[in-house]
Amino acid sequence: GAVVSQHPSRVICKSGTSVKIECRSLDFQATTMFWYRQFPKQSLMLMATSNEGSKATYEQGVEKDKFLINHASLTLSTLTVTSAHPEDSSFYICSARDSGAGIYGYTFGSGTRLTVV
Amino acid sequence: GIQVEQSPPDLILQEGANSTLRCNFSDSVNNLQWFHQNPWGQLINLFYIPSGTKQNGRLSATTVATERYSLLYISSSQTTDSGVYFCAVPIWDNNDMRFGAGTRLTVKP
Repeated sequence: GAVVSQHPSRVICKSGTSVKIECRSLDFQATTMFWYRQFPKQSLMLMATSNEGSKATYEQGVEKDKFLINHASLTLSTLTVTSAHPEDSSFYICSARDSGAGIYGYTFGSGTRLTVV
Repeated sequence: GIQVEQSPPDLILQEGANSTLRCNFSDSVNNLQWFHQNPWGQLINLFYIPSGTKQNGRLSATTVATERYSLLYISSSQTTDSGVYFCAVPIWDNNDMRFGAGTRLTVKP
């Protein structure tokens, strides 16, 4: 089946630095990828929709300049948390939709646990 | 937008017990998925189930689309079933998925 690879799985960074998270579709092309954030004991909340070759669409309340998304190819989207602060510590999960599989094609990465100290 | 509500929020079971998790949604949907999030955060897709009933081993799910709810049944629970169970609705027009708040299941040996 479709596989989405997400790296790194865990990262600890100092406050004020930037962190890049990669999301790759391994065996299918994904024109659309999604980035979610999950705080402890809470549900997944959509942050942004990443579209190949165009600007990402951000959900209300998500800072575009803080969470930079780049979807440069049909198999790779990156999320960069810029000038990270402790309140950005969270679990970030990407998902990709296999364009050829219609609405059934959502596959999730294994997530990235970000801790900002 | 569409609302997705899950119940109960927390569930503690003794190993071997059966359980039913519920997902209500506020509008018509063309699909629904159940996920299990393990303690490491990985989301495992359990079922795509827009309507009807599906079974996979000790798990089964039923969606009654006309009444806007879905049920996930876990039989003969095991400690490895512990984790959070989410239902999610793909929103075709918006091209994303809306998640319920989840049911946190703890199965004790």
